[in-house]
Amino acid sequence: ILNVEQSPQSLHVQEGDSTNFTCSFPSSNFYALHWYRWETAKSPEALFVMTLNGDEKKKGRISATLNTKEGYSYLYIKGSQPEDSATYLCAFNRDYQLIWGAGTKLIIKP
Amino acid sequence: SQTIHQWPATLVQPVGSPLSLECTVEGTSNPNLYWYRQAAGRGLQLLFYSVGIGQISSEVPQNLSASRPQDRQFILSSKKLLLSDSGFYLCAWSEGRVYEQFFGPGTRLTVL
Repeated sequence: ILNVEQSPQSLHVQEGDSTNFTCSFPSSNFYALHWYRWETAKSPEALFVMTLNGDEKKKGRISATLNTKEGYSYLYIKGSQPEDSATYLCAFNRDYQLIWGAGTKLIIKP
Repeated sequence: SQTIHQWPATLVQPVGSPLSLECTVEGTSNPNLYWYRQAAGRGLQLLFYSVGIGQISSEVPQNLSASRPQDRQFILSSKKLLLSDSGFYLCAWSEGRVYEQFFGPGTRLTVL
């Protein structure tokens, strides 16, 4: 993998259900993996920055895990709520930049 | 604490007209600065980044340019706008080695 790949591209989840999605990135020369939440017509908001293999981060109902050896990260949302509807972006560091995935668009159905 | 400002919030411009979008950061020194664009139905595209005054790296060849006349000021410009320049423009800053980026409120540009 040369860039960031996120799957699925979009996801419809019933309110109250839990869900997860994947970010794959190059495992060589890894420095940090970032997750962002991006609501329509707003700015992306940082959720997590993870640097160590095996890292797990949690913020409320949202959590993320990191596997740097195989180059993937999972984002989990427990008990989805309508306000969780957004595009979730992941990115990894390269030089002074972040290399971004295309995002997973999450739609919560009431 | 740090804050980032962008203006204007929305802009409607005719094809062929010039463009100037401004971004300023407060509360930090020598930040890395970035311009991104989101075209309709697309993801986040990096246009330019700067690691210091007068230092600009371009990621996408196009009719846009960027300048950094002061440490915490980043300007996106065009001499002649195209229809394809329409989109949501975001400025961001970062510091430190982890380079977590913090975004401004964005400018919605419509070229008619």
